[in-house]
Amino acid sequence: DQQVKQNSPSLSVQEGRISILNCDYTNSMFDYFLWYKKYPAEGPTFLISISSIKDKNEDGRFTVFLNKSAKHLSLHIVPSQPGDSAVYFCAASARIVGNEKLTFGTGTRLTIIP
Amino acid sequence: DVKVTQSSRYLVKRTGEKVFLECVQDMDHENMFWYRQDPGLGLRLIYFSYDVKMKEKGDIPEGYSVSREKKERFSLILESASTNQTSMYLCAGRRGSRRGEAFFGQGTRLTVV
Repeated sequence: DQQVKQNSPSLSVQEGRISILNCDYTNSMFDYFLWYKKYPAEGPTFLISISSIKDKNEDGRFTVFLNKSAKHLSLHIVPSQPGDSAVYFCAASARIVGNEKLTFGTGTRLTIIP
Repeated sequence: DVKVTQSSRYLVKRTGEKVFLECVQDMDHENMFWYRQDPGLGLRLIYFSYDVKMKEKGDIPEGYSVSREKKERFSLILESASTNQTSMYLCAGRRGSRRGEAFFGQGTRLTVV
């Protein structure tokens, strides 16, 4: 049972345009969400996060939006750059016995076209 | 800089071998995790630990065990390696006292032949 879903396996965007990556979740206990970026043969690196008490968080070119009623979050990258080409994972966590595990989606491969 | 280090980048093992994947973190983080990454399946949690000698099963623990004897070290053990355990294995650490990101190691590409 996939609790965090990324329904688009791949996305291609022109350099300079906006990239929008989407993520849906089913577990209403999730209250903290993160986005990671992964290059081949490397571990994922953290990009940006959002708590369920907010609906938007911004960090430079990256903005994450959270729609709790729809159980949906999205990552906006603007403007997109060639170095943004990577696999992007969304992740969610819920407090479990005072500690937290991260549940990841299946990933979206973003390709930025020069 | 925070660091999570996995002992090997690439490993090739034979079916039936006992395999140890080692992970060390220098961040004094309470939580440590083992994931595997497979195409189309994303990152799936195998086991995690929120304290020394504590362990919890993740979503796909079958065929694996773990050991955490010291806070900084979390080992993943494949008791009898099988070809369906060929995968990219990723270790991560995360602070338990507040919300924040998990820091990942560089990954171990394990091939079981």
